[in-house]
Amino acid sequence: SQQGEEDPQALSIQEGENATMNCSYKTSINNLQWYRQNSGRGLVHLILIRSNEREKHSGRLRVTLDTSKKSSSLLITASRAADTASYFCATEGSNYQLIWGAGTKLIIKP
Amino acid sequence: DTAVSQTPKYLVTQMGNDKSIKCEQNLGHDTMYWYKQDSKKFLKIMFSYNNKELIINETVPNRFSPKSPDKAHLNLHINSLELGDSAVYFCASSQRSTGELFFGEGSRLTVL
Repeated sequence: SQQGEEDPQALSIQEGENATMNCSYKTSINNLQWYRQNSGRGLVHLILIRSNEREKHSGRLRVTLDTSKKSSSLLITASRAADTASYFCATEGSNYQLIWGAGTKLIIKP
Repeated sequence: DTAVSQTPKYLVTQMGNDKSIKCEQNLGHDTMYWYKQDSKKFLKIMFSYNNKELIINETVPNRFSPKSPDKAHLNLHINSLELGDSAVYFCASSQRSTGELFFGEGSRLTVL
């Protein structure tokens, strides 16, 4: 079942702008992960944030986690054409199973 | 070297046939997975497997069966293929203690 709900479903911005994607979930989690999927390719892990963490950075990526609201956001700063992809959040519960969101399709216009 | 490799990348077959997709990981991970991604990009876990347990998503038809000859391989066998089986199938692996999944490039199955 899909626990995560991501919004927006699609996002189109100009190169250089920041892109923000959100993920909401329903049950308690061990961690939340973000993945990127380029067209026709496999998913690539971007960042993992644990339930006791509130914010994490990796290069141009910033992830926040609010467990009280059961939500997370992924911010990509200074977007590039190569950031065009679908972005998925996945939550890991106590049984180690990942439950996936439906994804946000991000298009960076040159 | 590719971390998670799966073959074939494309598979076109007729309804009713039996087919297999192979997956190998060279990361030394203890857990492997099969996922199905439909045309709307929804990801659905089919199986997760380590050397101790096989966890099957109960919604997966028993025409689908995973077979693991060793820790580094998890193959997917599909019997009596149906039109609705058309999708992209992803193999993935992880070290359960870290949680991060590594995916293969996918196998696009088309059933005619």
